Amino acid sequence: SQQGEEDPQALSIQEGENATMNCSYKTSINNLQWYRQNSGRGLVHLILIRSNEREKHSGRLRVTLDTSKKSSSLLITASRAADTASYFCATDGGGSYIPTFGRGTSLIVHP
Amino acid sequence: EAQVTQNPRYLITVTGKKLTVTCSQNMNHEYMSWYRQDPGLGLRQIYYSMNVEVTDKGDVPEGYKVSRKEKRNFPLILESPSPNQTSLYFCASKGGLGQPQHFGDGTRLSIL
Repeated sequence: SQQGEEDPQALSIQEGENATMNCSYKTSINNLQWYRQNSGRGLVHLILIRSNEREKHSGRLRVTLDTSKKSSSLLITASRAADTASYFCATDGGGSYIPTFGRGTSLIVHP
Repeated sequence: EAQVTQNPRYLITVTGKKLTVTCSQNMNHEYMSWYRQDPGLGLRQIYYSMNVEVTDKGDVPEGYKVSRKEKRNFPLILESPSPNQTSLYFCASKGGLGQPQHFGDGTRLSIL
């Protein structure tokens, strides 16, 4: 069963704007991961946040985790056309050692 | 270079003709898994393996087999492919709990 569910399904913004994607999950987790997928390619790991962390940064990426609400958000600041991709969250834990993924958010950044 | 390699990248075949998609990783990872990706459905887990000779079903295992005879290889076998197995398939590996997954570039299968 799919654990993480991303919201919105699609997001269209202009270059330079910030993009925020959300992820909700159902069971307890050890960590939550965000991945990026360029069209038709394999997923690339972006950032991992552990269940005892609330916020994490990596370059232009900022991830937050609220375990009480079972939700996470991914913020991409000052977006670029090259950020156009699908973004997935995945969770470890809840009895599963292999991450399960949501349906993803499709981000389009217009130049 | 650390990588997960899948072959073939593309395959068009016919119903009932057995096929194998190979997956190999060079990172000495214990965990390996197979996903299929379909429009609107995201990535769904087919099978996974936590070590050599240890495999388990994911969410959509019907019609698939796997084996893990060596740590580096995790082939996906379709004994009698059907059109509903037309999809984009990904193999992934990870080193342990709490580690990120590394994905292959995908295999696009078309079953006619």
